[in-house]
Amino acid sequence: QKEVEQDPGPLSVPEGAIVSLNCTYSNSAFQYFMWYRQYSRKGPELLMYTYSSGNKEDGRFTAQVDKSSKYISLFIRDSQPSDSATYLCAPSSGGTSYGKLTFGQGTILTVHP
Amino acid sequence: NAGVTQTPKFRILKIGQSMTLQCTQDMNHNYMYWYRQDPGMGLKLIYYSVGAGITDKGEVPNGYNVSRSTTEDFPLRLELAAPSQTSVYFCASSGTGGTEAFFGQGTRLTVV
Repeated sequence: QKEVEQDPGPLSVPEGAIVSLNCTYSNSAFQYFMWYRQYSRKGPELLMYTYSSGNKEDGRFTAQVDKSSKYISLFIRDSQPSDSATYLCAPSSGGTSYGKLTFGQGTILTVHP
Repeated sequence: NAGVTQTPKFRILKIGQSMTLQCTQDMNHNYMYWYRQDPGMGLKLIYYSVGAGITDKGEVPNGYNVSRSTTEDFPLRLELAAPSQTSVYFCASSGTGGTEAFFGQGTRLTVV
C-alpha cells in the first residue's frame, strides 16, 4: 500500500463548479497536510495546509482532514479557468521534516470557460 | 526575489554520461531537497540536507549523489546516466520552523 493515494483524474469541470479533490494516507505520524498546486512545466507551489484534523478555509479553497479515517480533501468553490493545474496532496510529519514530503500522484484539473 | 534557482532547465544525456544538476537558494534556508517527478506521478524524494555538511537519503537515492558545502548550494550528481533517470528534477528548500517548501522551476532530463 502506498503511503499516500490520490485520485489521479483527470478532472474536467465547467467554470463555476465545485471541485472536490481527495487523498488517503496510511502513516499515522503525519501531522501537517499540505496541498501544492503545480502549473504546467512549473514547480509546485504551496496552496494551503492544515494541521491535524479539521477544516481550513482560504478564499474559494477549503482543506479538510479527518485523521480518524486518514482522509484528506480539498474543495474549490466557484472554480475558475485559472485553477486549471495539477493538485498534489503532500502530508508531512512536521518538525524538521516540513519539506520532507510524501506526495500523492496528483490530480490534473481542467476548468472550462 | 530569486528563491530557488535550478540549472540547466533542459538536458539530453547519453547512457553512461555524467552530469551535475545545480541548485542554489537565496533565502538562507537550512533544509534543501531533491525530488524527481515522472509522468503522471507525484514527486519522490531523492536526497535531502538539514544543513551544510549533512545529507541523507530519501526514497529513491540509487544512481545519485549529493553534497552540501554551503547553505546556498545543493548540487545533484548523476554518475552513470541510465534511461530510468529520465525525469523532471526539482530542488526545494525550507526554513527552520517554516511549513512551506519552496521549489525551483525544475530540470527536464532525458537519457537516450
